[in-house]
Amino acid sequence: EDQVTQSPEALRLQEGESSSLNCSYTVSGLRGLFWYRQDPGKGPEFLFTLYSAGEEKEKERLKATLTKKESFLHITAPKPEDSATYLCAVQADSSYKLIFGSGTRLLVRP
Amino acid sequence: EAQVTQNPRYLITVTGKKLTVTCSQNMNHEYMSWYRQDPGLGLRQIYYSMNVEVTDKGDVPEGYKVSRKEKRNFPLILESPSPNQTSLYFCASSFGENTGELFFGEGSRLTVL
Repeated sequence: EDQVTQSPEALRLQEGESSSLNCSYTVSGLRGLFWYRQDPGKGPEFLFTLYSAGEEKEKERLKATLTKKESFLHITAPKPEDSATYLCAVQADSSYKLIFGSGTRLLVRP
Repeated sequence: EAQVTQNPRYLITVTGKKLTVTCSQNMNHEYMSWYRQDPGLGLRQIYYSMNVEVTDKGDVPEGYKVSRKEKRNFPLILESPSPNQTSLYFCASSFGENTGELFFGEGSRLTVL
């Protein structure tokens, strides 16, 4: 069964303290892996698409990487405005359906 | 401004009272979808539509109906709501089914008493 697991469930960082969020997946064949950011009371907002192992994408303080079994969202020198829930989703070769993980709640304290 | 608009944003209703959550997008997207988000369960797809008059079930379609009469609108209908449908609902759209780059609405929080 295709599934996505994100860890940790919650992460507290001090401003400037770099860290990584993990998204591990089990899927028969990967069409794409997607990262979203969700602020409280808002809908998810698309961040990145990764298609193949070794691929990396960057946006400001965020960098997403992909291996054959997992993806990491690296946050470098985070700021309080990076506080949000980060969602990972995969799309399998066999289906266009997106399978979402439960998310990681990130809190960055000043 | 490109957006997906849902209404109502908040609703408290009682068991059995039919309700409709509207969704409209202004990006000329072909693909639209409804999700529910529950703590610990992530986003689960209810129904989706690849184009006008084409709809299909997602993972949790029981108790819901949809229609796609126009490209921009994709309402979610709860014919006889029950307490287990208390949830946060999101409408999303994209250029096509094969992309995972979805545009989400701001959500509709539904409570069924």
